[in-house]
Amino acid sequence: DVKVTQSSRYLVKRTGEKVFLECVQDMDHENMFWYRQDPGLGLRLIYFSYDVKMKEKGDIPEGYSVSREKKERFSLILESASTNQTSMYLCASSFLGTGGNTIYFGEGSWLTVV
Amino acid sequence: ELKVEQNPLFLSMQEGKNYTIYCNYSTTSDRLYWYRQDPGKSLESLFVLLSNGAVKQEGRLMASLDTKARLSTLHITAAVHDLSATYFCAVRKFGNEKLTFGTGTRLTIIP
Repeated sequence: DVKVTQSSRYLVKRTGEKVFLECVQDMDHENMFWYRQDPGLGLRLIYFSYDVKMKEKGDIPEGYSVSREKKERFSLILESASTNQTSMYLCASSFLGTGGNTIYFGEGSWLTVV
Repeated sequence: ELKVEQNPLFLSMQEGKNYTIYCNYSTTSDRLYWYRQDPGKSLESLFVLLSNGAVKQEGRLMASLDTKARLSTLHITAAVHDLSATYFCAVRKFGNEKLTFGTGTRLTIIP
């Protein structure tokens, strides 16, 4: 069964803390994505990666960084958390390239910054 | 910049009725996705539409794609309560790996 696993489902962090959100997929997918979801705004892409150590900025990368040291793992880092980063974060993965490839999502990580 | 607009944002409908959710997008795309999300849950893939005129059906849901009009529709037939969820369309720009999502349609089916 396809699996995208986000290690932390619910986190509460203080303003200024460094936050790591981890995502692991077991499908040997090249692409991995981080989105945040906010009411009324849908899902917005933060960063994505199409290969190990490769990354591209999405639509809202400010305040975030990412790390992809292994193919199966993609980490989202909030260097100094702020209250406006309170949100649900969704990791996703897919195969690279053409074809009707489905993009699979993890269960989401709910982050509250206080 | 690719923009994806979904409407309506909220939809409340009675069981047994038919309705359509619309997804418009602004630039050339090579595939369009429909996802379902239940409260507090992740996104579940419903359909991937690849070409102009593509139509896919699963149970009471049918999705279609008109690439010339840059429009996809998700049609619900004889709605049942289990279909209550938020539905998202997402578009992949031609030659790009990234998906751009619409804002979602929250569908509530009333008995």
